Amino acid sequence: AQSVTQLDSQVPVFEEAPVELRCNYSSSVSVYLFWYVQYPNQGLQLLLKYLSGSTLVKGINGFEAEFNKSQTSFHLRKPSVHISDTAEYFCALSYGSSNTGKLIFGQGTTLQVKP
Amino acid sequence: EPEVTQTPSHQVTQMGQEVILRCVPISNHLYFYWYRQILGQKVEFLVSFYNNEISEKSEIFDDQFSVERPDGSNFTLKIRSTKLEDSAMYFCASKNGRSSGANVLTFGAGSRLTVL
Repeated sequence: AQSVTQLDSQVPVFEEAPVELRCNYSSSVSVYLFWYVQYPNQGLQLLLKYLSGSTLVKGINGFEAEFNKSQTSFHLRKPSVHISDTAEYFCALSYGSSNTGKLIFGQGTTLQVKP
Repeated sequence: EPEVTQTPSHQVTQMGQEVILRCVPISNHLYFYWYRQILGQKVEFLVSFYNNEISEKSEIFDDQFSVERPDGSNFTLKIRSTKLEDSAMYFCASKNGRSSGANVLTFGAGSRLTVL
């Protein structure tokens, strides 16, 4: 069965510092990987996705993530965070050629950016 | 940018009552979904809908739940007799046919359901 694990439930960081949000997955088949962000009182917004090709993917708001198949990871990084990056971040995967739209989510990581 | 719109944003209901959550997906999208997030827990897949029928549903999506696309624009989730444990944020999502294999979904802002 497929699963996603986000290792940190909360990540506090000071403004302008770098941040890494960790995501590991488990799957016996090939996967597509996503990071979504949820700002307070808002829906899930797609930050970036890995579908194929280059393992380093860039998303919106200066975020990037690297797909590492050997380590089954898809960690999210930003070199310098801003107060406005405070939000809940979700890693998710879909797998195979499924057309059903079934995403499997991790538990979420709360990024708290402090001034 | 096109959006998925959900109403109501928050609904409070008594246990045993019927609830209908509404969604307007992006107009040229063909695949529709409901997910839910119980407070403090993971976002969970409930159901997918394509070509006017359910494509897949999770174990959570029992006989108390139903979905419908009544008029070609709205996509609804009905909970027939709500239970306390149905309290959650419910997300609607949609995607077009071009990204069919990769499941790139656009989510709405969610409808928070509180069952008392």
